[in-house]
Amino acid sequence: LAKTTQPISMDSYEGQEVNITCSHNNIATNDYITWYQQFPSQGPRFIIQGYKTKVTNEVASLFIPADRKSSTLSLPRVSLSDTAVYYCLVGPSISGNTGKLIFGQGTTLQVKP
Amino acid sequence: DAGVTQSPTHLIKTRGQQVTLRCSPKSGHDTVSWYQQALGQGPQFIFQYYEEEERQRGNFPDRFSGHQYPNYSSELNVNALLLGDSALYLCASSLAGGLGSYEQYFGPGTRLTVT
Repeated sequence: LAKTTQPISMDSYEGQEVNITCSHNNIATNDYITWYQQFPSQGPRFIIQGYKTKVTNEVASLFIPADRKSSTLSLPRVSLSDTAVYYCLVGPSISGNTGKLIFGQGTTLQVKP
Repeated sequence: DAGVTQSPTHLIKTRGQQVTLRCSPKSGHDTVSWYQQALGQGPQFIFQYYEEEERQRGNFPDRFSGHQYPNYSSELNVNALLLGDSALYLCASSLAGGLGSYEQYFGPGTRLTVT
């Protein structure tokens, strides 16, 4: 499974757009990029998953350049409730995936008023 | 539709004791994975159960064992507890082979403290 590197922490203010970048230089052809969010004393929650270009859902957008060696999670107009740890994961999805998620240390996002 | 549930919420044990943690998967899910999360760290994969069999295992000693029942619920057992076993234990469920199988649903966790 490809190793990921992301900033340990980030600060933002309410109403701003937050972009968290994850590096995954050794991503394999059949790897997907997935982001999870975790609040204190809760289990992680799936946010978004993508393979290439751009994916958008009601929560976030995921931008993946053509070489797929990095990805950026974009959170529009964050609020205090978006304060959490964000994990970037890379691995095979659907066929061939046995469900073993490899978490790094994640990025702690602190949203200030 | 109930999500993933875990019990108990908190637990305090003494070194050397044994503990059993329980998990009920999200309705319709058949696969259960267990993770250990130490304070300030990301979750670490312990093992996964599917069709009542351990399908994959992470780098954890044999003191960690599990079980899955026909109704897909699961237990995590830890024997001979060590202080270092103090952590948040997370259960995650998914549907084997389903689309987006990288999407797992996590429970709230069981906070285990070993003294």
